Amino acid sequence: EVQLLESGGGLEQPGGSLRLSCAASGFTFSSYAMSWVRQAPGKGLEWVSLISASGGNTYYTDSVKGRFTISRDNSKNTLYLQMNSLRAEDTAVYYCAKAFISSWYFDCWGQGALVTVSS
Amino acid sequence: DIQMTQSPSTLSASVGDRVTITCRASQSINSWLAWYQQKPGKAPKLLIYKASSLESGVPSRFSGSGSGTEFTLTISSLQPDDFATYYCQQYKGYAWTFGQGTKVEIK
Repeated sequence: EVQLLESGGGLEQPGGSLRLSCAASGFTFSSYAMSWVRQAPGKGLEWVSLISASGGNTYYTDSVKGRFTISRDNSKNTLYLQMNSLRAEDTAVYYCAKAFISSWYFDCWGQGALVTVSS
Repeated sequence: DIQMTQSPSTLSASVGDRVTITCRASQSINSWLAWYQQKPGKAPKLLIYKASSLESGVPSRFSGSGSGTEFTLTISSLQPDDFATYYCQQYKGYAWTFGQGTKVEIK
């Protein structure tokens, strides 16, 4: 069974940093692209970032470019999102999601980690 | 970036009703469209991919159609478990975007 378990969320001040982790199990992690998708309180889904299976290609939505960094450790079956220069508008539940192998829609999702940016 | 627009934003329906949700893309995305269901406090769940392919384990009352810029998600006979919010998502290119969501409420 595919499982994705996020951790690392919490309360951070504006301008601060947080690192989210997503531990994967139940599939060959190194074969699949992975993504982060967020959802602000009471709002819709927003794609944040995606990393290819090897880690060689990364993509970001414009609002986080230069502030967030997606990475992965295929030896640890873990996906990361380093979030720097946090803003109030980054407050959201962050989901990690597995991308289907040949077409990058998201076929499995974690339960989410809440990030709150507030002073 | 490709913009996705769903309609309606909210839909009130009864158990047994046929329900249709529309999603329009700002430019052609061929059939690179997925539909997700989300219940309060839960992660999204994939229903449909490539516009009309049913994900394994998803009930056959769900169906998707369309190509290019206009797509629909249909629930043939609404069940109590189907009251939720539905999102379309395009995956053409390298900037994935979601529609704003359609909340299906009990009438």
